[in-house]
Amino acid sequence: AQSVTQLGSHVSVSEGALVLLRCNYSSSVPPYLFWYVQYPNQGLQLLLKYTTGATLVKGINGFEAEFKKSETSFHLTKPSAHMSDAAEYFCAVSDPGAGSYQLTFGKGTKLSVIP
Amino acid sequence: DSGVTQTPKHLITATGQRVTLRCSPRSGDLSVYWYQQSLDQGLQFLIQYYNGEERAKGNILERFSAQQFPDLHSELNLSSLELGDSALYFCASSETHGGGTEAFFGQGTRLTVV
Repeated sequence: AQSVTQLGSHVSVSEGALVLLRCNYSSSVPPYLFWYVQYPNQGLQLLLKYTTGATLVKGINGFEAEFKKSETSFHLTKPSAHMSDAAEYFCAVSDPGAGSYQLTFGKGTKLSVIP
Repeated sequence: DSGVTQTPKHLITATGQRVTLRCSPRSGDLSVYWYQQSLDQGLQFLIQYYNGEERAKGNILERFSAQQFPDLHSELNLSSLELGDSALYFCASSETHGGGTEAFFGQGTRLTVV
């Protein structure tokens, strides 16, 4: 069984500061890893994903994440926060062998950006 | 706009009732996934269909059922509704059923059971 832990249900940063959202996973096989963003009253939008290859993945809106197998982590970062980054962020995993886009999500981290 | 359309956007119904949520996937996408988002359970995978066939099943209650029609739209049927079924129900679609292909999410149907 897979599981995802997002440390911190709520993170506040100042505008222009580094954004770091933490995600650790548990999986019996190396999973596919995803970060999604959800704005109020909206669906989920894919920020970035890791399947194979380079462990540093760049996504949309200036976000990136690094897959660290030894730490079972996939933390999301952005060098400089913008007011428009305020949203809820979800880390998710899927089993490459399952042949399905069945995602296991973390509980989410709500990001607030302080002007 | 993800290209995935869910109707209705909001639904209020009484306990014991039955409702149907509808999802139209992006053009060309063969896979449809249903997820439930609630405050206590978070985002949970319910069920997946691929080209009309059930592909994977997650934490879906027996009171819930789904199907995918020949035109690839999907419906999620929820019956004998309970207060705890109040949640945001998302549909997502992807081209294939592979684990690394991107799935695009609709804006969800917010179900309130009173």
